[in-house]
Amino acid sequence: NAGVTQTPKFRVLKTGQSMTLLCAQDMNHEYMYWYRQDPGMGLRLIHYSVGEGTTAKGEVPDGYNVSRLKKQNFLLGLESAAPSQTSVYFCASSGQGYQETQYFGPGTRLLVL
Amino acid sequence: AQSVAQPEDQVNVAEGNPLTVKCTYSVSGNPYLFWYVQYPNRGLQFLLKYITGDNLVKGSYGFEAEFNKSQTSFHLKKPSALVSDSALYFCAVRDGAGAGSYQLTFGKGTKLSVIP
Repeated sequence: NAGVTQTPKFRVLKTGQSMTLLCAQDMNHEYMYWYRQDPGMGLRLIHYSVGEGTTAKGEVPDGYNVSRLKKQNFLLGLESAAPSQTSVYFCASSGQGYQETQYFGPGTRLLVL
Repeated sequence: AQSVAQPEDQVNVAEGNPLTVKCTYSVSGNPYLFWYVQYPNRGLQFLLKYITGDNLVKGSYGFEAEFNKSQTSFHLKKPSALVSDSALYFCAVRDGAGAGSYQLTFGKGTKLSVIP
């Protein structure tokens, strides 16, 4: 049981390049989330999904797109990377219900030059 | 809107002394409160949560937290700090009242340093 995994662990992009971050979970969770972590700002929610085929915007969605074609996977895309998107990206998943705990992946460190 | 505040960017405590990491929150409905810990270059690990019931919640690694509704606080505590407790701690809240309740709002984090 690997929990939540993220690919890649680290990536360097040039401004304007595109990339996709992959998140996978093996806990059969309905809900999945993408956050970014920046120094002194905690974690901010980018997009989330409450089930296969559904996505919704979080607090900071601009410049990102997501897809949830399979229940266990949640993809985060950057179509045209900008230096402001340099950050550490975390994926999380949880069961349904307000009381459910979110479980986090190890993170992807992205540097946009 | 839901929000959470961690008023201290850093807390220093001597090994063996009790530690407290502070958290206050704001929600319109019932609060669901969480504490996570992050070690360097790692993801967030769940410590404990308050959903309902006993105001004192016990979690992993000897940590506990006290829910205080009147003060809208959820401070993290440990009776005797270890050097290995040194890490970044995040408080998070989810508002149980309707719209936005899927979202977990995090504080900015408190860096705990336990001095040998």
